[in-house]
Amino acid sequence: DAGITQSPRHKVTETGTPVTLRCHQTENHRYMYWYRQDPGHGLRLIHYSYGVKDTDKGEVSDGYSVSRSKTEDFLLTLESATSSQTSVYFCAISENPTGENYGYTFGSGTRLTVV
Amino acid sequence: AQSVTQLDSHVSVSEGTPVLLRCNYSSSYSPSLFWYVQHPNKGLQLLLKYTSAATLVKGINGFEAEFKKSETSFHLTKPSAHMSDAAEYFCVVSEPGGSYIPTFGRGTSLIVHP
Repeated sequence: DAGITQSPRHKVTETGTPVTLRCHQTENHRYMYWYRQDPGHGLRLIHYSYGVKDTDKGEVSDGYSVSRSKTEDFLLTLESATSSQTSVYFCAISENPTGENYGYTFGSGTRLTVV
Repeated sequence: AQSVTQLDSHVSVSEGTPVLLRCNYSSSYSPSLFWYVQHPNKGLQLLLKYTSAATLVKGINGFEAEFKKSETSFHLTKPSAHMSDAAEYFCVVSEPGGSYIPTFGRGTSLIVHP
């Protein structure tokens, strides 16, 4: 989607290794979110950010950490990857928390496989 | 606490017939509600949103949804299905009590038969 990019798009990693996924936006939006998508579960929130260095946990935060040192970048780190973290990860951004202007804009996703 | 339930995991229709995807929500406040579509191996695209304005909301590609507070529902409809509508659809709620965090339903897979 325009204004938000995720990298890498695909990654295969080994169990026990750390992995960092990057979400980059050019919209100067304050709110950023990390979700994981698994069949039958929809999208579940991992962490979110409401400003530089302001982050909070979501529904499924165990095993994940985040950092936001700049408005445009929101990093998701799997501290020690496990097979249960094999998933598709989506980043989203929003101008305001209600999503009333443009909703929430999603990146194209990162497909992560932990072997 | 906010939550959203999509009542059907799969909906199957024939091309040219109406589409109805059902969503019920739970919220202690006046929520914002959204429908997103995800085509296979793609990202999520906003179809439409309700944010306390008109209760009948029109979106892209001929979709619309009606906010019914008394029924706590936000069902998605389209008069005539097209093959290109085959996708996964997600209902999303956000509200002040949930810190405005967008919460997703589990999704409804729309299958369109020729």
